[in-house]
Amino acid sequence: GNSVTQMEGPVTLSEEAFLTINCTYTATGYPSLFWYVQYPGEGLQLLLKATKADDKGSNKGFEATYRKETTSFHLEKGSVQVSDSAVYFCALSDPGAYGNNRLAFGKGNQVVVIP
Amino acid sequence: GAGVSQSPSNKVTEKGKDVELRCDPISGHTALYWYRQSLGQGLEFLIYFQGNSAPDKSGLPSDRFSAERTGGSVSTLTIQRTQQEDSAVYLCASSLQGTTSSYEQYFGPGTRLTVT
Repeated sequence: GNSVTQMEGPVTLSEEAFLTINCTYTATGYPSLFWYVQYPGEGLQLLLKATKADDKGSNKGFEATYRKETTSFHLEKGSVQVSDSAVYFCALSDPGAYGNNRLAFGKGNQVVVIP
Repeated sequence: GAGVSQSPSNKVTEKGKDVELRCDPISGHTALYWYRQSLGQGLEFLIYFQGNSAPDKSGLPSDRFSAERTGGSVSTLTIQRTQQEDSAVYLCASSLQGTTSSYEQYFGPGTRLTVT
């Protein structure tokens, strides 16, 4: 099935720093790509998505571009805030039986923003 | 509007007992998914329901796990004879239609299961 790989380990950075979280994928066909975020004590929330090559998803200052040639969907934000501290998951659609569009998730990256 | 709800939010059970976890999807969403989030395995797909069609059970880790969806809405995940490795957060998600990948999934807050 389809799968994603996220860079290892937590990310700690200062407020207003530039954030990049790498995500690469392996897939057959043309999956949709997603970034989900999990704030402390809360459930998974969709942050942004892209459904075809060269699409750019954006939300709350975060961006990610669907790069078919490098099979990547890196997440970026130009100036992070303390409130961006959360766990970020890269995911892609991994079609199964009976029209199943389950998601395959990366391991997630804990992002800690220090004031 | 109301999001996906799950109950209970926390469940502590003894090894060998059966547990039932409940999910109420967003009204009108025909597709429903169960996932499991654990430290060792990350987020894993368990089972998928679409309307009244046959479910895709390919992610269930053992025959101790089962799920049903009544009336195309509420779903219950049952774990029989729980084991310590079943300890995890069980997440439910729903989407408007399961046959198009662009329809994003909306997640509930999860049920944290601890097996002692």
